[in-house]
Parts: sequence; structure tokens; C-alpha cells
Amino acid sequence: GAVVSQHPSRVICKSGTSVKIECRSLDFQATTMFWYRQFPKQSLMLMATSNEGSKATYEQGVEKDKFLINHASLTLSTLTVTSAHPEDSSFYICSARDRFTGTGSNQPQHFGDGTRLSIL
Amino acid sequence: AQKVTQAQTEISVVEKEDVTLDCVYETRDTTYYLFWYKQPPSGELVFLIRRNSFDEQNEISGRYSWNFQKSTSSFNFTITASQVVDSAVYFCALSEASTGNQFYFGTGTSLTVIP
Repeated sequence: GAVVSQHPSRVICKSGTSVKIECRSLDFQATTMFWYRQFPKQSLMLMATSNEGSKATYEQGVEKDKFLINHASLTLSTLTVTSAHPEDSSFYICSARDRFTGTGSNQPQHFGDGTRLSIL
Repeated sequence: AQKVTQAQTEISVVEKEDVTLDCVYETRDTTYYLFWYKQPPSGELVFLIRRNSFDEQNEISGRYSWNFQKSTSSFNFTITASQVVDSAVYFCALSEASTGNQFYFGTGTSLTVIP
């Protein structure tokens, strides 16, 4: 089955540090990947849609300069939380669509296992 | 407006009891997909089911069953003979043809199965 690898699974770092999270589709190509954020005991909220070879589309209220997204290949998207602060502490999950399976909303989304980010 | 509503925030049941998790959705699309995911304490999302808007047939998979009712815009999930391992947060999600690039997640229902 389609596998999405997300790395690292957990990060603990000091305030002001920039943190990069990787999302890889291991056995399929993904022209589109999604980044979600989940605060404790809350739902997953879409942050941005990452499109291979073009700029990401950010949801309203998400700071583009704070959350840098790069999708340079069909199997890798990265999310960099720049100058992270304690309020950025959250669970970040990526998902990827298999470009060759289905169309639009019929395309399955495959989720990574998430990254738990803790900023001290 | 919330596209997916899971009114039950937390549910506790005793092991072996049946439990139904409610999901109500809102969409103007005629083509859409509904999903259920399980999120155990470790955090990963476990896919349970996908159902398209043209297939209202109920589905059963082991102890899990799903009741899709377009007339009430509901997609409820029932676990029969619950087990402690079923304890998790369950999310219902909607994907629309018109906005096919994203999922709309409900707020989740935290299920605790007491031994």
C-alpha cells in the first residue's frame, strides 16, 4: 500500500530555532501534498496545500513567512517552522495524493505518522 | 460554517458494549467522499473507510459498521462489542469534488472503552 514517511516524529527545541519537517511518499508520486496542524484535543486544521514545482497555497490565517513549504520533487515536501516559539508547539501531519490513482476528491490521501513539535 | 459535525466530544463505554459515533456533514456538491479515521494516542491517522456520495449501501467490516444516510446527511459509525483497543479519537472527514484538494475534518470523538 501507499506509504507516507514523515520525519522527524518528535522534535524538542529552544525558542527561536527553525525546524524542518519532511514528508515523503515512498512508493508513489504525489503532485499534491497537504500540511495539517493539530492542537491538543482538537481537530486537524489544514495549513497549506503543497504543489510540486510551484508555490504552496496557504489557508487563511497561516503565516507564509513563518511556515515555509517546499515541494521540489514528486516525492518530497518539507515544512520549515521558522524562528519557532512555544505557541508553535503542535502536532503536524502531512498527507499526499497519489497522482495516478483517481481524480480530484476521489484521489486517496495517505497520511504520515505526524511530527510532535515542542518548543521550550 | 462547519462542514463536518461530530457532536459527541467524548464517549465512555464498558467493554463489550456497542457504541455509535455520529457524523453529520454539509455540502452542496453531488459528488463527494466521506471518511472515518482512527487516531490512537500515538497520533497517527488510521484509515477506516471511504464512501462516495453515490453509494448509500451500508458497510460492515468485522466489528465496524457504517450507516450512510443522504436524507439526513449523516455517516454514522458503529463499533459492536467494543474492546479496550478501540479507545482512540475518531474523526469523520469530507472531501468534495468542487474543492477536491482538501479534507474537512470533524472535531473528533474521543472514545474510551473501560475494561
